[in-house]
Amino acid sequence: GIQVEQSPPDLILQEGANSTLRCNFSDSVNNLQWFHQNPWGQLINLFYIPSGTKQNGRLSATTVATERYSLLYISSSQTTDSGVYFCAVMTTDSWGKLQFGAGTQVVVTP
Amino acid sequence: GAGVSQTPSNKVTEKGKYVELRCDPISGHTALYWYRQSLGQGPEFLIYFQGTGAADDSGLPNDRFFAVRPEGSVSTLKIQRTERGDSAVYLCASSPGTFTGELFFGEGSRLTVL
Repeated sequence: GIQVEQSPPDLILQEGANSTLRCNFSDSVNNLQWFHQNPWGQLINLFYIPSGTKQNGRLSATTVATERYSLLYISSSQTTDSGVYFCAVMTTDSWGKLQFGAGTQVVVTP
Repeated sequence: GAGVSQTPSNKVTEKGKYVELRCDPISGHTALYWYRQSLGQGPEFLIYFQGTGAADDSGLPNDRFFAVRPEGSVSTLKIQRTERGDSAVYLCASSPGTFTGELFFGEGSRLTVL
């Protein structure tokens, strides 16, 4: 099946800093989502982005499907950004199966 | 409802008991998914439904696990003869259709098997 690798595995930021999270995947995808899992375990949708670039407030994401990677940018980080960020992908060979990466654990300190 | 609803939010049971976990998807969403998340890991696929039928149940770990969606809306995940290794958070998600669009997840049901 498809491999999804996220980097870095852990990230500690000071409030106000910017950061970039990366997601590499091993096959062509027709669905790519970024999620934020908050400390209570809720998976919150950030972006549905199988290709292209999107922005939502301080967050933005870019997927370069031909090169099989996606980037999530966090600008002016806040303590509420803390949590685990997951990239998840789906391929045409695996309809319905969203394959998650291992996540990036982000801690934003005041 | 406004989002995916899962009950119970927490379930503690003894080894060998039977457990049911319920998922109520977003109204109008035809696809429904079950995932399982162990501590420190990403969610893992169990099964998904398109309408009433299980389109892919290849992620179910063994025949103690079963899921139904009899009317194409609410789904129940059933676990027989629970084992300590079944302890995890069970997540349900729904999407407008299987082939397009985002999955939206509920808050999960945390199962602890003693």
